[in-house]
Amino acid sequence: KNEVEQSPQNLTAQEGEFITINCSYSVGISALHWLQQHPGGGIVSLFMLSSGKKKHGRLIATINIQEKHSSLHITASHPRDSAVYICAVRYRGFGNEKLTFGTGTRLTIIP
Amino acid sequence: DAGVTQSPTHLIKTRGQQVTLRCSPKSGHDTVSWYQQALGQGPQFIFQYYEEEERQRGNFPDRFSGHQFPNYSSELNVNALLLGDSALYLCASSQGLLNTEAFFGQGTRLTVV
Repeated sequence: KNEVEQSPQNLTAQEGEFITINCSYSVGISALHWLQQHPGGGIVSLFMLSSGKKKHGRLIATINIQEKHSSLHITASHPRDSAVYICAVRYRGFGNEKLTFGTGTRLTIIP
Repeated sequence: DAGVTQSPTHLIKTRGQQVTLRCSPKSGHDTVSWYQQALGQGPQFIFQYYEEEERQRGNFPDRFSGHQFPNYSSELNVNALLLGDSALYLCASSQGLLNTEAFFGQGTRLTVV
């Protein structure tokens, strides 16, 4: 069982729709990352969160530390948002500098 | 700022061969981590280098080894390649070992035939 669970695995939506992708994890973390991966592989870091909420353009990320849950929202979705969105966590504690990744959510926005 | 650069972008090797992948970190970053991403899976941590030493290692066999140079660039070496080593290999750089944002390269796609 993956320590970082994402839902949904696949999401198809019409252009303009509000998108929500969820991430849950099992133990205490020091930070959570939301990443975007386009076909071809390269990963872009969208947000790093340890509490609260961050916003960048049409993207919003929130985290609830008590619930061990984070969400990534996309407002006014556009076909160029089509990509795989990956949640990754850094667990608390010495020697836990590595990132543990979810399996990703494949988002397709239809024009 | 060139960001994190990896070379080569694509590589085809034969079973049993050895391969070396390279990573130059983002300017100002001194920590490099390597990840393996099999098709349809999330990346898996291989190891991390800081101050030219391997600081942490994931669950990968000794066939996977690495190195970090004084300029903070890094190499990933894989010996005795297996078909199952076919994957996208990602390099991520950050500043220091504590809770800082990681920046990723475009990856090297390795195909073992």
